[in-house]
Amino acid sequence: SAVISQKPSRDICQRGTSLTIQCQVDSQVTMMFWYRQQPGQSLTLIATANQGSEATYESGFVIDKFPISRPNLTFSTLTVSNMSPEDSSIYLCSGKLGGSDTQYFGPGTRLTVL
Amino acid sequence: GENVEQHPSTLSVQEGDSAVIKCTYSDSASNYFPWYKQELGKRPQLIIDIRSNVGEKKDQRIAVTLNKTAKHFSLHITETQPEDSAVYFCAASRSGGSNYKLTFGKGTLLTVNP
Repeated sequence: SAVISQKPSRDICQRGTSLTIQCQVDSQVTMMFWYRQQPGQSLTLIATANQGSEATYESGFVIDKFPISRPNLTFSTLTVSNMSPEDSSIYLCSGKLGGSDTQYFGPGTRLTVL
Repeated sequence: GENVEQHPSTLSVQEGDSAVIKCTYSDSASNYFPWYKQELGKRPQLIIDIRSNVGEKKDQRIAVTLNKTAKHFSLHITETQPEDSAVYFCAASRSGGSNYKLTFGKGTLLTVNP
């Protein structure tokens, strides 16, 4: 299995600012993903974080708004740029070990934009 | 892309009763179907999964069935306990190559009444 941690756990930000969320995995995962979850709603995939190359974004999400880095097999960051109140949500990262289909999730980062 | 429908959105049962949650998917190429349990304020946790080459899988009080022809799969929880109360999400993905993106259903809030 993999244990995933995220920082910060929560934050309150002003509109127009940016926040970078960090995701750390305790083992090397072949794939990492970033999801958004509105309170009481389901999880929506933002992008697949690719090691050493640009992330692959899902429809409706763009790199300028959600730049992602993945410098190695255990770490990734998601930046929420130029925030507006509509970006208030929970952001979760997940990781998948090689040879397994299972995705393990981080605890999430609860973001509130005022 | 994949679309996953989940029913019911809420389910209330008495302790000891069984609970069944159903999902349908649209992409016939999907071959991996996990179920996640998410308690309030916590991360999603995998409780059981099934691959498309298997029709049923059991783990103690939890079972999942898959009908590939009809493109639907179901979660069965027997002898429910109050600690089973949570939101349950089904998901589907194509497993293999660079694909492991999970598409989630909208979730089912299960309440087990003592």
